[in-house]
Order: sequence, then structure tokens, then C-alpha cells
Amino acid sequence: EAQVTQNPRYLITVTGKKLTVTCSQNMNHEYMSWYRQDPGLGLRQIYYSMNVEVTDKGDVPEGYKVSRKEKRNFPLILESPSPNQTSLYFCASRTRLGGGGEKLFFGSGTQLSVL
Amino acid sequence: AQKVTQAQTEISVVEKEDVTLDCVYETRDTTYYLFWYKQPPSGELVFLIRRNSFDEQNEISGRYSWNFQKSTSSFNFTITASQVVDSAVYFCALSEDNTNAGKSTFGDGTTLTVKP
Repeated sequence: EAQVTQNPRYLITVTGKKLTVTCSQNMNHEYMSWYRQDPGLGLRQIYYSMNVEVTDKGDVPEGYKVSRKEKRNFPLILESPSPNQTSLYFCASRTRLGGGGEKLFFGSGTQLSVL
Repeated sequence: AQKVTQAQTEISVVEKEDVTLDCVYETRDTTYYLFWYKQPPSGELVFLIRRNSFDEQNEISGRYSWNFQKSTSSFNFTITASQVVDSAVYFCALSEDNTNAGKSTFGDGTTLTVKP
């Protein structure tokens, strides 16, 4: 089954404790992206990757890191989480062939709480 | 810079009513794509429709229809004879149109509640 898998589904942590949210897709998609969803603010793009070893900032990259060492994986790293990073995070992927016109496939989301 | 505005934060209707969700966008690009996604209470995000800037034809899919008007930079979504299962948050989104396009911009979402 074609899917984007995020882990963990829920995560509670404390300020300053490094964490990684994993994202993996099995559709051989070139493009992957991370979003955060906050009430009243919709989905905001954090980082995206057009292919292996190619990443770029979205609209809200501060406080986050990503890496794309393999095509299928695109982890989101919070090296020193702060309470304002409490949010619902989504990973997404799509093929690159049709450019921005291809639909996004989303993971199930990760609810992060930073205390 | 791209911007997507969904002015309706919340809409509540009674089952079988028709409802229209508004989406207004801003972009300097001459070619682009518009999308609608649905997020039901279970939380997943589901693709509904895509429209490119060249194609202003309206589209109908069952009870759903979309009205794209480039002149007013709008891409509105109408649900006819709404059902309780239509209750969800609906997002309108805008993407660049090229193979190197990476950025996508979402609206803040409209929460639709359909009451029985």
C-alpha cells in the first residue's frame, strides 16, 4: 500500500531535549516536505526536499533541521525544542514529474508537545 | 510571495443544505496550481481536487463542485446537499508550476460542521 509513515504519532518532551520525527515513503517520490499545523494558522511549510541531498527552507524553518540522505526518508530534527514548537506536524511527499501540480500524500501526523 | 485566504473560519449548516467554501489567492506567477484538501475529525489530510491556472473550467464530482475564476483569483468549493460525513476542515492550497517548484502555501482552513 502506498503510504507516508510518520513516527511517533504522539510525543511529549521537555524544553531543550533533542528529538527526531521520522518520515518514510514507499512511493519512490522525489519530493518530500514538512508542515506544521496550528489552530487558526493552517498548514505552514517548514522544509522541503526536491531530491536526495537537496533541501530548502519553507516559510517557518527556524528551530528545525532536516536531512535527506535516502530517497525514502526525510526526518525532522528539533535540536533544542521550545514550547512554541508544540504543534501537529505532517510529512508529505509527491512525485516531482509534474512539478507543483502533483498532489501531496500526507502522513498521519505527529502531535508534539514541548513542556 | 504567495498567499491563500480562506476568510470563513467556521461554517455550520444543517444536513442537506448547500454550502460554499471560499478561497482567494495571490501570486505573481503566471502559471500555478490550486488544490483543495480535506481533513476529517480523524486528522488525516486527503486530496480532493487540483486545478491548473490554464484551466478555468468548473468541475463537478458527485455532490462536490469547484468554481475557478482567474479574474477574481478565487477557487471556491461547493458541497451540494451536505451530509454529516462532510464535517471536516477544508484547506485550499497554491503551488508553483514547474518541476523545481518546492513551496506550497495553504490557507488557514475552514471548519465545516454539518448537523443532522
